[in-house]
Amino acid sequence: DTGVSQDPRHKITKRGQNVTFRCDPISEHNRLYWYRQTLGQGPEFLTYFQNEAQLEKSRLLSDRFSAERPKGSFSTLEIQRTEQGDSAMYLCASSRGLARVTDTQYFGPGTRLTVL
Amino acid sequence: AQSVTQLGSHVSVSEGALVLLRCNYSSSVPPYLFWYVQYPNQGLQLLLKYTSAATLVKGINGFEAEFKKSETSFHLTKPSAHMSDAAEYFCAVSDQGGNEKLTFGTGTRLTIIP
Repeated sequence: DTGVSQDPRHKITKRGQNVTFRCDPISEHNRLYWYRQTLGQGPEFLTYFQNEAQLEKSRLLSDRFSAERPKGSFSTLEIQRTEQGDSAMYLCASSRGLARVTDTQYFGPGTRLTVL
Repeated sequence: AQSVTQLGSHVSVSEGALVLLRCNYSSSVPPYLFWYVQYPNQGLQLLLKYTSAATLVKGINGFEAEFKKSETSFHLTKPSAHMSDAAEYFCAVSDQGGNEKLTFGTGTRLTIIP
């Protein structure tokens, strides 16, 4: 396994701009998750995919946020009209997605977003 | 709704001393519980997980945790702290195992005193 990768690792943007992050899961992992982690807090669930289908979205995912996984492989998370409150670490994780409780989520290194 | 509470946002122990990081959960269904570790500028790494097979769970790097239903706890321990254990530790809960969303605690930063 090459691990979950995320790009970019750091992003600085001005308020009102749009940003897009990419996540490449571990090969053959069917499930892909997005979390957000703010300073001093634990990660908070945003959304997850089973292959290309988006199965659940958190209330944290406002209309300005959109996530896609078009071919069931990599995923993108876009934030439109960024606000300073969007500054956070965005974490991606993947798992095999088998119907087993012993499944494990493997996390990427995250993308740190700073909105000025 | 499920939740976990981590008591103590910062814990300091001397090298070689016992490490004890506390986690209490709240769940209306039998929970699945996890401990993750996060080193600076890195993603989260799974230390161990409880999936009802055994109440005492052994993980990587010498860590273990015991599920106590009567106390709704899942505390993380290590008999002898090492300098490399300095990191942030997160407890998490899920009602469907590892292939569903995780709900994390606020984390405990562990500092090792030489």
